[in-house]
Amino acid sequence: TQLLEQSPQFLSIQEGENLTVYCNSSSVFSSLQWYRQEPGEGPVLLVTVVTGGEVKKLKRLTFQFGDARKDSSLHITAAQPGDTGLYLCAGGWGNKLVFGAGTILRVKS
Amino acid sequence: GAVVSQHPSRVICKSGTSVKIECRSLDFQATTMFWYRQFPKQSLMLMATSNEGSKATYEQGVEKDKFLINHASLTLSTLTVTSAHPEDSSFYICSARVGLTEAFFGQGTRLTVV
Repeated sequence: TQLLEQSPQFLSIQEGENLTVYCNSSSVFSSLQWYRQEPGEGPVLLVTVVTGGEVKKLKRLTFQFGDARKDSSLHITAAQPGDTGLYLCAGGWGNKLVFGAGTILRVKS
Repeated sequence: GAVVSQHPSRVICKSGTSVKIECRSLDFQATTMFWYRQFPKQSLMLMATSNEGSKATYEQGVEKDKFLINHASLTLSTLTVTSAHPEDSSFYICSARVGLTEAFFGQGTRLTVV
């Protein structure tokens, strides 16, 4: 059983469309991180959310941390082909970092 | 963000040989580093937690004698895949945590065992 349930697993959309990726858990996390990974490279940190209810924006990306700090979402507005990649949510668990299963996003031009 | 350098990025080795992968934190000291394995189009699977100056902590199902981890200094951890077999072929990634929240990743190593 995954500690962090991430959905959807795969998403294929047209350029210009909006999308949301969800990361849910039954456990409370002190913080959650979102990463983006391209094939053959390591994950790159996009954002860390710490406070329940927090919303952070990174250009066309909007990240939200649930009030109870059990879930988070990533919303992309007007997706571009350059947004294509594997998106991972992660949360601290003890001294480890646990990951969701990931969302493969493909944006077609 | 903090920089973690992983080397080599790609390696091909013969079955039965050993391969060493290095992970360095370039601009900070990392008391703890993590090693992950990743299969195509899947998420990262934690293999072990590497602590400077002490033995690594392995996740369930990971063979400690096959995947030797050494954290020799605050900036260097190594993963040695011993007696490699084709089923060990994978993408291996290291990371180091900064504080208690964020982790920064190396570029990954594509290991192919032939």
